[in-house]
Amino acid sequence: QVQLQQSGPGLVKPSQTLSLTCAISGDSVSSNSAAWNWIRQSPSGGLEWLGRTYYRSKWYNDYAVSVKSRLTISPDTSKNQFSLQLNSVTPEDTAVYYCARAMFPVALDYWGQGTLVSVSS
Amino acid sequence: DFQMTQSPSSLSASVGDRVTITCRASQDISNYLAWYQQKPGKVPKLLIYVASTLQSGVPSRFSGSGSGTDFTLTISSLQPEDVATYYCQKFNSVPLTFGGGTKVEIK
Repeated sequence: QVQLQQSGPGLVKPSQTLSLTCAISGDSVSSNSAAWNWIRQSPSGGLEWLGRTYYRSKWYNDYAVSVKSRLTISPDTSKNQFSLQLNSVTPEDTAVYYCARAMFPVALDYWGQGTLVSVSS
Repeated sequence: DFQMTQSPSSLSASVGDRVTITCRASQDISNYLAWYQQKPGKVPKLLIYVASTLQSGVPSRFSGSGSGTDFTLTISSLQPEDVATYYCQKFNSVPLTFGGGTKVEIK
Protein backbone atom coordinates (compact mmCIF):
# COMPACT_ATOMS: atom_id res chain seq x y z
CA GLN A 1 0.00 0.00 0.00
CA VAL A 2 1.43 3.34 -1.07
CA GLN A 3 1.44 6.10 1.52
CA LEU A 4 2.51 9.71 1.13
CA GLN A 5 3.34 11.72 4.25
CA GLN A 6 3.69 15.47 3.90
CA SER A 7 5.69 17.75 6.17
CA GLY A 8 6.52 21.42 6.25
CA PRO A 9 5.54 24.72 7.86
CA GLY A 10 2.00 26.03 7.82
CA LEU A 11 2.97 29.69 7.82
CA VAL A 12 5.33 31.49 5.46
CA LYS A 13 6.05 35.21 5.25
CA PRO A 14 5.55 37.09 2.00
CA SER A 15 8.59 37.09 -0.33
CA GLN A 16 10.03 34.03 1.40
CA THR A 17 10.26 30.42 0.16
CA LEU A 18 7.59 27.81 0.78
CA SER A 19 9.15 24.38 1.29
CA LEU A 20 7.26 21.10 1.63
CA THR A 21 8.37 17.48 1.62
CA CYS A 22 6.47 14.33 0.67
CA ALA A 23 7.85 11.06 2.07
CA ILE A 24 6.96 7.93 0.09
CA SER A 25 6.35 4.45 1.46
CA GLY A 26 5.29 1.46 -0.57
CA ASP A 27 6.87 2.77 -3.79
CA SER A 28 10.08 4.41 -4.95
CA VAL A 29 10.65 7.98 -6.03
CA SER A 30 12.94 6.44 -8.70
CA SER A 31 10.17 4.24 -10.10
CA ASN A 32 10.20 3.99 -13.89
CA SER A 33 6.43 4.01 -14.05
CA ALA A 34 5.35 6.65 -11.52
CA ALA A 35 5.44 10.43 -11.48
CA TRP A 36 5.40 12.49 -8.31
CA ASN A 37 3.17 15.54 -8.32
CA TRP A 38 2.27 18.62 -6.33
CA ILE A 39 -1.24 20.08 -6.46
CA ARG A 40 -2.75 22.94 -4.50
CA GLN A 41 -6.26 24.00 -3.59
CA SER A 42 -6.97 27.65 -2.95
CA PRO A 43 -9.47 28.85 -0.34
CA SER A 44 -11.97 29.34 -3.19
CA GLY A 45 -11.82 25.59 -3.75
CA GLY A 46 -10.39 24.83 -7.17
CA LEU A 47 -7.59 22.31 -7.71
CA GLU A 48 -4.44 23.48 -9.47
CA TRP A 49 -1.76 21.09 -10.71
CA LEU A 50 1.65 22.64 -10.00
CA GLY A 51 4.20 20.23 -11.36
CA ARG A 52 5.90 16.84 -11.19
CA THR A 53 9.17 14.99 -11.12
CA TYR A 54 9.80 11.53 -12.55
CA TYR A 55 12.57 9.16 -13.49
CA ARG A 56 12.88 7.51 -16.90
CA SER A 57 16.59 6.65 -17.07
CA LYS A 58 17.16 10.25 -16.05
CA TRP A 59 15.20 12.82 -14.05
CA TYR A 60 12.56 15.01 -15.64
CA ASN A 61 10.43 17.87 -14.34
CA ASP A 62 7.32 19.57 -15.64
CA TYR A 63 5.80 22.74 -14.19
CA ALA A 64 2.61 24.71 -14.61
CA VAL A 65 3.15 27.94 -16.50
CA SER A 66 1.61 29.94 -13.66
CA VAL A 67 4.42 29.00 -11.23
CA LYS A 68 7.23 27.86 -13.51
CA SER A 69 9.56 30.76 -12.74
CA ARG A 70 9.23 30.23 -8.97
CA LEU A 71 8.83 26.48 -8.50
CA THR A 72 11.34 23.69 -8.05
CA ILE A 73 10.33 20.07 -7.48
CA SER A 74 13.18 17.74 -6.65
CA PRO A 75 13.61 14.10 -5.67
CA ASP A 76 15.68 12.83 -2.76
CA THR A 77 16.51 9.22 -3.50
CA SER A 78 18.41 8.70 -0.24
CA LYS A 79 15.24 9.43 1.76
CA ASN A 80 12.72 8.23 -0.85
CA GLN A 81 10.91 11.53 -0.91
CA PHE A 82 10.38 14.57 -3.08
CA SER A 83 10.03 18.22 -2.26
CA LEU A 84 8.47 21.45 -3.39
CA GLN A 85 10.11 24.85 -3.16
CA LEU A 86 8.07 27.88 -4.20
CA ASN A 87 9.98 31.15 -4.12
CA SER A 88 8.83 34.72 -3.59
CA VAL A 89 5.46 33.76 -2.19
CA THR A 90 2.55 36.18 -1.90
CA PRO A 91 -0.79 35.85 -0.08
CA GLU A 92 -2.19 34.42 -3.35
CA ASP A 93 -0.09 31.31 -2.70
CA THR A 94 -2.14 30.57 0.41
CA ALA A 95 -3.65 27.13 -0.19
CA VAL A 96 -3.78 23.51 0.85
CA TYR A 97 -0.87 21.77 -0.86
CA TYR A 98 -1.05 18.09 -1.77
CA CYS A 99 1.49 15.65 -3.06
CA ALA A 100 0.25 12.76 -5.19
CA ARG A 101 1.48 9.80 -7.19
CA ALA A 102 0.55 9.46 -10.85
CA MET A 103 0.66 6.20 -12.74
CA PHE A 104 -0.03 6.72 -16.41
CA PRO A 105 -2.78 6.33 -17.49
CA VAL A 106 -4.36 5.77 -14.07
CA ALA A 107 -4.03 9.41 -13.01
CA LEU A 108 -3.45 10.56 -9.42
CA ASP A 109 -4.13 7.43 -7.42
CA TYR A 110 -2.47 8.16 -4.06
CA TRP A 111 -2.48 11.51 -2.27
CA GLY A 112 -0.80 12.98 0.77
CA GLN A 113 -2.86 14.27 3.64
CA GLY A 114 -2.57 17.90 2.54
CA THR A 115 -0.81 20.83 4.20
CA LEU A 116 -2.51 24.18 4.73
CA VAL A 117 0.05 26.88 4.03
CA SER A 118 -0.79 30.46 4.83
CA VAL A 119 1.28 33.31 3.46
CA SER A 120 1.12 36.16 5.91
CA SER A 121 3.38 38.53 7.76
CA ASP B 1 -4.88 28.12 -22.85
CA PHE B 2 -6.19 24.60 -22.43
CA GLN B 3 -9.42 24.47 -20.43
CA MET B 4 -11.56 21.83 -18.77
CA THR B 5 -15.12 23.06 -18.31
CA GLN B 6 -17.45 21.28 -15.93
CA SER B 7 -21.19 21.70 -15.70
CA PRO B 8 -23.16 22.30 -13.69
CA SER B 9 -21.09 24.00 -11.00
CA SER B 10 -23.51 22.70 -8.40
CA LEU B 11 -26.59 20.55 -8.22
CA SER B 12 -29.11 19.36 -5.69
CA ALA B 13 -30.84 16.00 -6.11
CA SER B 14 -32.84 13.53 -4.07
CA VAL B 15 -31.59 10.25 -2.70
CA GLY B 16 -32.02 7.64 -5.42
CA ASP B 17 -31.87 10.12 -8.30
CA ARG B 18 -29.66 9.66 -11.31
CA VAL B 19 -27.05 12.42 -11.43
CA THR B 20 -24.99 13.43 -14.46
CA ILE B 21 -21.97 15.74 -14.50
CA THR B 22 -20.35 16.90 -17.72
CA CYS B 23 -16.76 17.81 -18.47
CA ARG B 24 -15.67 19.38 -21.74
CA ALA B 25 -12.06 19.68 -22.88
CA SER B 26 -11.00 22.54 -25.14
CA GLN B 27 -8.96 20.11 -27.25
CA ASP B 28 -9.14 16.40 -28.02
CA ILE B 29 -7.71 14.41 -25.11
CA SER B 30 -8.72 10.96 -26.40
CA ASN B 31 -9.87 9.06 -23.29
CA TYR B 32 -7.26 10.46 -20.90
CA LEU B 33 -9.75 11.81 -18.44
CA ALA B 34 -10.00 11.14 -14.71
CA TRP B 35 -12.71 11.91 -12.18
CA TYR B 36 -12.12 12.65 -8.49
CA GLN B 37 -14.44 12.94 -5.53
CA GLN B 38 -13.63 15.31 -2.68
CA LYS B 39 -15.78 15.15 0.41
CA PRO B 40 -15.81 18.20 2.69
CA GLY B 41 -12.53 18.56 4.54
CA LYS B 42 -11.05 15.47 2.90
CA VAL B 43 -8.39 14.61 0.35
CA PRO B 44 -9.50 14.11 -3.27
CA LYS B 45 -10.08 10.48 -4.17
CA LEU B 46 -9.70 8.93 -7.62
CA LEU B 47 -13.00 7.50 -8.87
CA ILE B 48 -12.52 6.84 -12.57
CA TYR B 49 -9.60 6.88 -15.00
CA VAL B 50 -9.25 6.63 -18.76
CA ALA B 51 -12.77 8.04 -18.90
CA SER B 52 -14.63 4.88 -17.89
CA THR B 53 -12.50 2.56 -15.74
CA LEU B 54 -13.62 2.39 -12.14
CA GLN B 55 -10.83 2.63 -9.58
CA SER B 56 -10.68 -0.35 -7.23
CA GLY B 57 -13.16 -0.10 -4.37
CA VAL B 58 -15.38 2.54 -5.98
CA PRO B 59 -19.10 1.64 -5.87
CA SER B 60 -20.60 0.48 -9.15
CA ARG B 61 -23.23 3.24 -9.07
CA PHE B 62 -20.48 5.49 -10.41
CA SER B 63 -19.73 5.33 -14.12
CA GLY B 64 -17.92 7.41 -16.69
CA SER B 65 -18.15 7.77 -20.43
CA GLY B 66 -16.92 9.86 -23.33
CA SER B 67 -13.89 10.45 -25.48
CA GLY B 68 -12.33 13.28 -27.43
CA THR B 69 -13.68 16.44 -25.83
CA ASP B 70 -16.92 15.46 -24.07
CA PHE B 71 -17.11 13.34 -20.96
CA THR B 72 -19.74 12.38 -18.40
CA LEU B 73 -19.72 11.16 -14.82
CA THR B 74 -22.95 9.46 -13.78
CA ILE B 75 -24.16 8.42 -10.34
CA SER B 76 -26.96 5.96 -11.05
CA SER B 77 -28.64 6.24 -7.65
CA LEU B 78 -27.49 9.12 -5.47
CA GLN B 79 -26.68 8.20 -1.86
CA PRO B 80 -26.16 10.49 1.13
CA GLU B 81 -22.47 9.57 1.26
CA ASP B 82 -22.05 10.92 -2.29
CA VAL B 83 -22.29 14.52 -1.08
CA ALA B 84 -19.03 15.93 -2.36
CA THR B 85 -17.40 18.04 -5.02
CA TYR B 86 -16.43 16.19 -8.18
CA TYR B 87 -13.53 17.20 -10.41
CA CYS B 88 -12.44 16.05 -13.83
CA GLN B 89 -8.80 16.17 -14.91
CA LYS B 90 -7.07 15.70 -18.25
CA PHE B 91 -4.22 13.21 -18.18
CA ASN B 92 -2.86 13.01 -21.71
CA SER B 93 -0.13 15.62 -21.35
CA VAL B 94 0.98 18.45 -19.08
CA PRO B 95 -0.40 20.62 -17.71
CA LEU B 96 -2.71 18.17 -15.94
CA THR B 97 -5.57 20.64 -15.83
CA PHE B 98 -8.54 20.15 -13.53
CA GLY B 99 -12.09 21.20 -14.18
CA GLY B 100 -13.67 23.76 -11.89
CA GLY B 101 -15.65 21.22 -9.90
CA THR B 102 -19.30 20.26 -9.41
CA LYS B 103 -20.73 20.39 -5.92
CA VAL B 104 -23.37 17.71 -5.32
CA GLU B 105 -25.86 18.12 -2.50
CA ILE B 106 -28.90 16.20 -1.29
CA LYS B 107 -32.27 17.89 -1.77
